[in-house]
Amino acid sequence: EVQLLESGGGLIQPGGSLRLSCAASGFTFSSHAMTWVRQAPGKGLEWVSSIDNRGTNTHYADSVKGRFTISRDNSKNTLYLQMNSLRAEDASVYYCAKNAGAMESGDFDNWGQGTLVTVSS
Amino acid sequence: EIVLTQSPATLSLSPGERATLSCRASQSVRSFLAWFQQKPGQAPRLLISDASNRASGVPARFSGSGSGTDFTLTISRLEPEDFAVYYCQQRSNWPPFTFGPGTKVEFK
Repeated sequence: EVQLLESGGGLIQPGGSLRLSCAASGFTFSSHAMTWVRQAPGKGLEWVSSIDNRGTNTHYADSVKGRFTISRDNSKNTLYLQMNSLRAEDASVYYCAKNAGAMESGDFDNWGQGTLVTVSS
Repeated sequence: EIVLTQSPATLSLSPGERATLSCRASQSVRSFLAWFQQKPGQAPRLLISDASNRASGVPARFSGSGSGTDFTLTISRLEPEDFAVYYCQQRSNWPPFTFGPGTKVEFK
């Protein structure tokens, strides 16, 4: 059974930094691209970032480009999202999702339960 | 960026009724369109990929159709557990991957 467990969320002041983690199990992590999607309270889904299976290719939404960094450690079956210069509008539940294949273009076929990031002074 | 529009915003129906949800893309996404279901407090769940392929474990009452710019998600007979928000998402032209704003299926 695929399991994705996010952690690292919390309350952070504007301008601060946070690193989210997503521990994966139940599948061959190194064979799949991975993705972060966020959802502001009461709002819809917004794609944030994706990374291919090897960690070679990364992509970002314009809203986070230059502030967020996606990475992965295939030896630890873990996906990361380093978030710097956080803004109030970054406050959301952050979900990690498994892509259907090695490429970033694959469907988001399994999702974690999410971790809440609150940005407030 | 491809913009997805979903209609209606809210669909008020009773169990046993048929639900028809629409998703329209601002330009062709070929068949690279997915549908997700999200219940309150839960993560989204992939229902349909590539416009019409049911994901593993998804009941047969869910079906998807369409290509190009117009897509439909049909729930043939609503079960109580189907009342949720449904999102469409395209992976044809990326980045960014984009989602529609969602359709809420609520109890009438």
